[in-house]
Order: sequence, then structure tokens, then C-alpha cells
Amino acid sequence: QVQLVESGGGLVKPGGSLRLSCAASGFTFSDYFMIWIRQAPGKGLEWVSYISSSGGTIYYADSVKGRFTISRDNAKNSLYLQMNSLRAEETAVYYCVRESSGRSLDYWGQGTLVTVSS
Amino acid sequence: QSALTQPASVSGSPGQSITISCTGTSSDVGGYNYVSWYQQHPGKAPKLMIYDVSNRPSGVSNRFSGSKSGNTASLTISGLQAEDEADYYCSSYTSSNTLLYVFGTGTKVTVL
Repeated sequence: QVQLVESGGGLVKPGGSLRLSCAASGFTFSDYFMIWIRQAPGKGLEWVSYISSSGGTIYYADSVKGRFTISRDNAKNSLYLQMNSLRAEETAVYYCVRESSGRSLDYWGQGTLVTVSS
Repeated sequence: QSALTQPASVSGSPGQSITISCTGTSSDVGGYNYVSWYQQHPGKAPKLMIYDVSNRPSGVSNRFSGSKSGNTASLTISGLQAEDEADYYCSSYTSSNTLLYVFGTGTKVTVL
């Protein structure tokens, strides 16, 4: 069965860095576009970043452009998000998500909590 | 690019039907048949319930149905059950140059 397992979240000071990882299994990882989505406590869903199946096409939300870097290693079935210059308002659960048809998101990881606080 | 507009809350009694609306623009909901709906229980990850406006993934109850008219999409839950109490989010493909995914504001469904 499809599984997405995030790791790497934790407490970090404002201005600090964190690297999130997502281990994928149960499907051919290299066939799928992958996305990071975040959800601040008590708030809605916010798209963060997208990477194509080969890694050749990448997009970022304006709010994270220049500070976050998405990448993938298809040989290791893994997705990553390097987050630099973190801000307090970026405290959220970060989800690793697989994209299916028409921008639908058919499998989500359990999420990893990132807390940005001094 | 603004979020899609959903009612903050919708409620119904067990067995009833409820409908959640999701209003966008011609650049997203109205322009493409790529609306999806997600259910999220407290402390859990969202789950895909409807994709491409009206299609259900395997394993999703046929009590959930989707439709679209103009710039507004709708999710209907029929035969409401206690386990349907959750937050629901819509999402749409968008032609925006800066936003790949646009989500709705979210709707809290309460089963009375």
C-alpha cells in the first residue's frame, strides 16, 4: 500500500534551518509529481512547493521562494524540503503529498510538525 | 490569488443530506473540471474524497458526491453519519502563474 512518512520536524529558532524528509513506498515514486503542503495550527491548507517526477520542474509559493528548496532522490524513493531563514509564522504541520490527476492529491503523509520559536 | 470561499460551518442530523459550496473564479473552479475535495479529522492528514469534480477514489463511500455549476463547486454528503463530522476543504486547478494549488477556506461539518 502507498505510504508517505515524513521526518525532520522539530523546534527551531527564527532564522534557523531545518530539512524535512519524506520516505515513499508502495508505488513507483519516480512516476509521480510530489508536493509539500503545510497547515498552521487551527488554519487551512497552504501549498508550499512542487517537484515533477524527474525533478526537472520545480515551483514554490511566493511566501517561501528563495528560502526553501525542494528536491528528490528517485533512487532512494525520497522527497526533501530544505527550509532556511524560518519565520515564526511558518510554524505548521508539513505534509508530503502525491499528486494524481488534475492537481488532485491522492496520498498524504501523516505530517511532521515544525515549530519556529525562540 | 485568493483562497476559494467555503462556508465556515454546516450541520445536519444523522441521515440527512448536507451540501458544502466552494466558490472561485473563471481562473480556477469555473475554468477547469479539476475540483477536488478533502476530509480531515482532528489531528489527522487530509483524505481525498472527490477528484475531477465528481469522481470518487476507490474506497470512498458513495454517500459523497460532487458537482459544479459555473464558478461554484459543491460536495454533498447524503445519509449523514457521525463519522462524517470533520473539516472539509475544496481545491482547484488554477491558471495562476504564481499559485499551483488553491484551496478552499475549509468547512466544519457537525453532525447534530
